[in-house]
Amino acid sequence: DGGITQSPKYLFRKEGQNVTLSCEQNLNHDAMYWYRQDPGQGLRLIYYSQIVNDFQKGDIAEGYSVSREKKESFPLTVTSAQKNPTAFYLCASIEGTPNTEAFFGQGTRLTVV
Amino acid sequence: RKEVEQDPGPFNVPEGATVAFNCTYSNSASQSFFWYRQDCRKEPKLLMSVYSSGNEDGRFTAQLNRASQYISLLIRDSKLSDSATYLCVVMDSSYKLIFGSGTRLLVRP
Repeated sequence: DGGITQSPKYLFRKEGQNVTLSCEQNLNHDAMYWYRQDPGQGLRLIYYSQIVNDFQKGDIAEGYSVSREKKESFPLTVTSAQKNPTAFYLCASIEGTPNTEAFFGQGTRLTVV
Repeated sequence: RKEVEQDPGPFNVPEGATVAFNCTYSNSASQSFFWYRQDCRKEPKLLMSVYSSGNEDGRFTAQLNRASQYISLLIRDSKLSDSATYLCVVMDSSYKLIFGSGTRLLVRP
């Protein structure tokens, strides 16, 4: 079945450590996205990528980094520079045409202790 | 000004009621519009795309007003299972996909 997979579902890290969240899709979608969601809040865009080897900052990119070396993969690194990294992280992908649905992974809950 | 703005609610309505949500967006070059539904601690799921001519899917009707940069969602005959957060989503010409902060709906028996 086609879909978008995020791993792990839950992640615990010590303060000051970098951590990489995985996002893989087999939908052959061109565009991929990373969002952060805090309790009771909406989704805020961290980074997005329209095509391989290209990506753009979203509204809250500071303290995060991404790569897009393959069409199906868009990993997100939460660096030690991110002041408040504990959150729910969602990855999405979309076919590169207007009015097409964005598909989401099930999310990764990151807790920094 | 936020790129996509919604009333956070909550809207607390009885079963069978009709409820309407509104959303405004700031980028006049936006090209695609959607309503998503998110249940607690889950990923968002597409409810419906919003077309210029308006569209209906069962009890749900979505409207787009490009001149006023305004999107609406109408839910008729509310069910308990409609309780969720409804997210307005806008995509611009560079495929930047922006979510509103969501409107929470509570349908009571």
